[in-house]
Amino acid sequence: AQKVTQAQTEISVVEKEDVTLDCVYETRDTTYYLFWYKQPPSGELVFLIRRNSFDEQNEISGRYSWNFQKSTSSFNFTITASQVVDSAVYFCALSDTNAGKSTFGDGTTLTVKP
Amino acid sequence: EPEVTQTPSHQVTQMGQEVILRCVPISNHLYFYWYRQILGQKVEFLVSFYNNEISEKSEIFDDQFSVERPDGSNFTLKIRSTKLEDSAMYFCASSRFGSTEAFFGQGTRLTVV
Repeated sequence: AQKVTQAQTEISVVEKEDVTLDCVYETRDTTYYLFWYKQPPSGELVFLIRRNSFDEQNEISGRYSWNFQKSTSSFNFTITASQVVDSAVYFCALSDTNAGKSTFGDGTTLTVKP
Repeated sequence: EPEVTQTPSHQVTQMGQEVILRCVPISNHLYFYWYRQILGQKVEFLVSFYNNEISEKSEIFDDQFSVERPDGSNFTLKIRSTKLEDSAMYFCASSRFGSTEAFFGQGTRLTVV
């Protein structure tokens, strides 16, 4: 069975601080995808990144970076120099070879204070 | 860029009424999904649909729920006799054959009063 664990329920930082959101996953599949989504107060799911199980290269996109480590089954997300607009719930998700059915973590609520 | 479209964005219904949530998946996708997110909770899988039939469903997806692809473009979720606890955000998603990536719609917020 698949499982995604986001151990941090809530994180609060002050603007310009760096913050890392943790994600640990469990799967028996060798081929899978990992995702991060942002959910602002308006409720939609905003896609941030997709990473497949064969690509362990870390990725940076502006202030966002992701650290994928298969050895520890982790896919952590770092926001550098956080901004108030980064305040949202962030979900990590895993999809397997079952044609994209996704399992979500419980989410981490990030609050960035001015 | 193609996207999954859901209508309406927000629906209010009275308890006991039937509702139909609509989704237009990406045109060349063959797998379709519904997910539910109760306010403040995580996104939960409800059902997947392929080749005009349900391929997998969760324990949440009981006889109250049904899905249909009534034509070549729409994918619907029907909830019969809604209950207060059906109030949630419902997300539709679709994926290509052989792909493990699903694309999500913007969601329909269902409020049962």
